[in-house]
Amino acid sequence: AQSVTQLGSHVSVSEGALVLLRCNYSSSVPPYLFWYVQYPNQGLQLLLKYTSAATLVKGINGFEAEFKKSETSFHLTKPSAHMSDAAEYFCAVTPGNTGKLIFGQGTTLQVKP
Amino acid sequence: GAVVSQHPSWVICKSGTSVKIECRSLDFQATTMFWYRQFPKQSLMLMATSNEGSKATYEQGVEKDKFLINHASLTLSTLTVTSAHPEDSSFYICSGGLAGDTDTQYFGPGTRLTVL
Repeated sequence: AQSVTQLGSHVSVSEGALVLLRCNYSSSVPPYLFWYVQYPNQGLQLLLKYTSAATLVKGINGFEAEFKKSETSFHLTKPSAHMSDAAEYFCAVTPGNTGKLIFGQGTTLQVKP
Repeated sequence: GAVVSQHPSWVICKSGTSVKIECRSLDFQATTMFWYRQFPKQSLMLMATSNEGSKATYEQGVEKDKFLINHASLTLSTLTVTSAHPEDSSFYICSGGLAGDTDTQYFGPGTRLTVL
C-alpha cells in the first residue's frame, strides 16, 4: 500500500528564511511524487512533481524538492520565504502512473514578517 | 491553461435532500476526473475515479449509491449527494486529468456543502 507522511502539521518561518517542509512516502512500486499548494478558498495548485527523471525537481515560485529513494523522502525547500508563501502544502504520491493521488496530512506554512 | 471550475462554490441544504455538484474542465478535455473530500484541517481523501462514458470506480468505504457520479462528457462530471445528512457536510473537490498525461491533475476550487 502507498502512503504519505508529512512531518509537522504547522511550520513557522521568518520572511527571508529557509523553508523546509518534510515528506516521507511508502510505496511498493516506483512512485510519482507531487507537492501541491492550497491558498485559502482556492483549489490545489501543482508546485512540482517527480516522475522518475531527475531526482532534484524545480517547481514554481522558487520551490524545489529532492527525491531520495534511500530515505523514502521528498522534502520541499525554498531558500528564502516570502509572505505570499503562507498557505497549506500537501505532499502526494501516486503508485506508478495510475493517476490516483494519495495525499499527506498537509502542512500549514506561516511566514512571519 | 488547464482550468477546472466547480459549481456551486458553496451550498446549504436540509437533511434528506439531494445536492448536485458540477465539475467542468474549461479549456481541456478531461478523460479522467477525480472526486475528493476534505474535512476541516485535514487532507484530501479520494472518493472515486470516473472516466468519460463509463461507470465510476469508488474507493473502499465510499457508498456508490449515496455519492452518484456521472461523467457524461469530456468536460463535465457531476457528483450528487443523495439523501444528505449532517455528516456529509464537507469540502468536495474535483480534478481532471489530461489524456496521455494522467500523472498531473488539475484541481477545481472546491464546493463547500453544509447539511442542516
